Amino acid sequence: GIQVEQSPPDLILQEGANSTLRCNFSDSVNNLQWFHQNPWGQLINLFYIPSGTKQNGRLSATTVATERYSLLYISSSQTTDSGVYFCAGITRQGAQKLVFGQGTRLTINP
Amino acid sequence: EAGVAQSPRYKIIEKRQSVAFWCNPISGHATLYWYQQILGQGPKLLIQFQNNGVVDDSQLPKDRFSAERLKGVDSTLKIQPAKLEDSAVYLCASSLKLAGSSSNTQYFGPGTRLTVL
Repeated sequence: GIQVEQSPPDLILQEGANSTLRCNFSDSVNNLQWFHQNPWGQLINLFYIPSGTKQNGRLSATTVATERYSLLYISSSQTTDSGVYFCAGITRQGAQKLVFGQGTRLTINP
Repeated sequence: EAGVAQSPRYKIIEKRQSVAFWCNPISGHATLYWYQQILGQGPKLLIQFQNNGVVDDSQLPKDRFSAERLKGVDSTLKIQPAKLEDSAVYLCASSLKLAGSSSNTQYFGPGTRLTVL
């Protein structure tokens, strides 16, 4: 089955708005991570967040491992926040590897 | 600190031709990964090296794809012969530790965009 599932698939907002991206993950993965892929394709690691809450500037993330979901919050969105946001988890069984969700495409309009 | 380097950035070939991609990881990173990212999807791991040994290649189409990491530093990924469905971005990443290690962070290169006609 699907190991990492993200919603919504697309999100269009005006500059200054806040957004919440969701990631549901199966019990076959753990050690959740969030990435941002900018419009030029560069993939940047935002958070390593197996549980709890972390904040970095306007971005924060919360993972509730017992309920198998993670949320990424972006406050006061800027046009540079545009791109695709991926969550990914490490598989528990076999060779541990990073499994990505399908991503949320975020477009911030000026 | 220099990031992960990849070349070429773009490649256009015809089906049944061969192609090779090169990756230079961050200095000192023992683990190197190759991912395939098809348009509209998340990256999919093809192969993972720890130093010059293969940790996982379960999703590598071995009839046409091959990869090596000689001397545990640079790596090359080859496709021979290419098919139309191989059109994708090929991402290389590196990390200090294995993927399952706690607080492991993977650093990604800019990718190589392959178009197979």
